[in-house]
Amino acid sequence: GIQVEQSPPDLILQEGANSTLRCNFSDSVNNLQWFHQNPWGQLINLFYIPSGTKQNGRLSATTVATERYSLLYISSSQTTDSGVYFCAAGGGADGLTFGKGTHLIIQP
Amino acid sequence: DTGVSQDPRHKITKRGQNVTFRCDPISEHNRLYWYRQTLGQGPEFLTYFQNEAQLEKSRLLSDRFSAERPKGSFSTLEIQRTEQGDSAMYLCASRLASGGTGELFFGEGSRLTVL
Repeated sequence: GIQVEQSPPDLILQEGANSTLRCNFSDSVNNLQWFHQNPWGQLINLFYIPSGTKQNGRLSATTVATERYSLLYISSSQTTDSGVYFCAAGGGADGLTFGKGTHLIIQP
Repeated sequence: DTGVSQDPRHKITKRGQNVTFRCDPISEHNRLYWYRQTLGQGPEFLTYFQNEAQLEKSRLLSDRFSAERPKGSFSTLEIQRTEQGDSAMYLCASRLASGGTGELFFGEGSRLTVL
């Protein structure tokens, strides 16, 4: 099955800083999503991005499918951005395969 | 609220008891997925349905785990003879099989604690 690796595993930044989270996947995919898991455990959809670039406010994401990686950018970080960010990828009808996540801490 | 709904949100049980979780997907979604997430890990795929048909169940963790979606709407995940290692968050997700983007939407999860 597809392998998904995320880096870095942990990231501590000051408020206002920018960050880049990376996701590598082992095979071609037709689904790639980024999620933010809130403190109560719910996975919040950030981007559905099997290829290309999307932006939503201070967040943007780019997937280069031919090179099998995706990047999530967070600009002007706020303390509310803290939490775990997951990348998940899939190649077919089966469920997505998740990475282990990046634990982001934004300090005031 | 038209999102994915899960019940109960929290369940504490004693080892050896059976537990059942319910998931109500987004109403027009015909694909429904179950995942398990343990502490510090990403969610792990268990099984999925298209309408009432269970199309993949080989990744259910043991024969103590079973899932149903009898009328193609809500689904249940049952764990029999629970063990302490079953303590985890159980997540349900849904999506359209076709005609949509394929984006998966998750519920808030059911957190299981086995004492």
